[in-house]
Amino acid sequence: GAVVSQHPSRVICKSGTSVKIECRSLDFQATTMFWYRQFPKQSLMLMATSNEGSKATYEQGVEKDKFLINHASLTLSTLTVTSAHPEDSSFYICSVPDGVSSYEQYFGPGTRLTVT
Amino acid sequence: DAKTTQPTSMDCAEGRAANLPCNHSTISGNEYVYWYRQIHSQGPQYIIHGLKNNETNEMASLIITEDRKSSTLILPHATLRDTAVYYCIVGRRTGANNLFFGTGTRLTVIP
Repeated sequence: GAVVSQHPSRVICKSGTSVKIECRSLDFQATTMFWYRQFPKQSLMLMATSNEGSKATYEQGVEKDKFLINHASLTLSTLTVTSAHPEDSSFYICSVPDGVSSYEQYFGPGTRLTVT
Repeated sequence: DAKTTQPTSMDCAEGRAANLPCNHSTISGNEYVYWYRQIHSQGPQYIIHGLKNNETNEMASLIITEDRKSSTLILPHATLRDTAVYYCIVGRRTGANNLFFGTGTRLTVIP
């Protein structure tokens, strides 16, 4: 199966600063990637769909100006949390759908963001 | 996408079979049943999927009732490394579709 990496795995930042999280598909090209957020002891919630070459599609309630998504290439999508606040502290996970089988999605290992 | 209902938590003795149930009574004809699991502080991992027939792979077996309103994921010989949250998800082919995660079942494998 595909390998998906995320960088960084953990990040601590101060309130008001911006943080960039990278999601890479290491062994196949992805025109679509998904970004999820998971708060402690809760399930994954879809934030947005990242589309290569076009604007991301955001879920209801997710501020597109706060969570900037750039799908720069077929193997890289970035999520930038702008002007981070403590309530943005969460586990951010990306996934890449299997373009061949169309049944499986491959998830990255996640990025733990802590905003102090 | 149809919703699913799973027990909040389950325990299983190491080496025994773990049977995880899922109700999806509103599933439509073109929707599949997918199972993923998430080990603590990691990204989810695909386990298995099915449409109508029972399925088996190296990780697990999936039993789907004839009316497709419920299913059971079976881990034949649970190990401590199988301790995780297991998500039953119903949806169309996920090639371009995101996954809607419910609350899942927290399976604890006990030595």
